[in-house]
Amino acid sequence: EADIYQTPRYLVIGTGKKITLECSQTMGHDKMYWYQQDPGMELHLIHYSYGVNSTEKGDLSSESTVSRIRTEHFPLTLESARPSHTSQYLCVAGGLYNEQFFGPGTRLTVL
Amino acid sequence: AQTVTQSQPEMSVQEAETVTLSCTYDTSESNYYLFWYKQPPSRQMILVIRQEAYKQQNATENRFSVNFQKAAKSFSLKISDSQLGDTAMYFCAFMSLPYGQNFVFGPGTRLSVLP
Repeated sequence: EADIYQTPRYLVIGTGKKITLECSQTMGHDKMYWYQQDPGMELHLIHYSYGVNSTEKGDLSSESTVSRIRTEHFPLTLESARPSHTSQYLCVAGGLYNEQFFGPGTRLTVL
Repeated sequence: AQTVTQSQPEMSVQEAETVTLSCTYDTSESNYYLFWYKQPPSRQMILVIRQEAYKQQNATENRFSVNFQKAAKSFSLKISDSQLGDTAMYFCAFMSLPYGQNFVFGPGTRLSVLP
C-alpha cells in the first residue's frame, strides 16, 4: 500500500492568489495523479506523472501546473486562483497492480 | 479513447439485502484492469475490488463480487448482505495496459443502504 498525504486539508483564499497543494507518498510508487472532484460528483484527471521529471496534462484544463522533482513529492500549483477553482483536489499514487491509492483530498474554496 | 458508463446515478437497498451496481465500458484494448472504488460521505476513496481482463474468473472480496462479461464490456458489482457502512458513492474505473495509460472513472452511483 501507499500512504498518501495531502496538505492543507482545507483552504480558503481570495481570488488572484497563488497556491500550492502539497502531496507526498511514502512507498516510492512511480505513478502519481491529481484529480478534481466536486462533492459527490465524478472525478476529472488534471495532471499525471509516470516518474521523476515526467508530467502530463489530463483531460480537464485546470490552469494549474505540477512538478515531479522527487518520486515521493507531486505538488500542484495554481498561479492565480479563481472562484471556478473551488473544488476538492485528490492526489493519487499508482500501486504495483495498477490500483490507485487516494489521498484524503484538499478542499479548496476561492472567494 | 476509453469511456466508462454507470447508468444508475442513485440506488438504494435495504440492510441485509443484495444490490447490483452496473458498469459498462468501451475500449479497443484487449488487456486492461477494471476496478470498483468506494467513497463514503466526506471520506477517502478506497479500492473495493479489482479484476484483470485476462482472468475469466470473477473477482470476489468478502461480500463484494463482480460479474465481468468481457465480450459485453460489462463489469457489475454485487454487494451481498448490505450494511449501513456500505452507503457511499461507488465509482467504476478502467485502466488499459501496458504502462502509460491513465485511469478512466465512471460518473459514479450513489448507494444508500436503508435500515
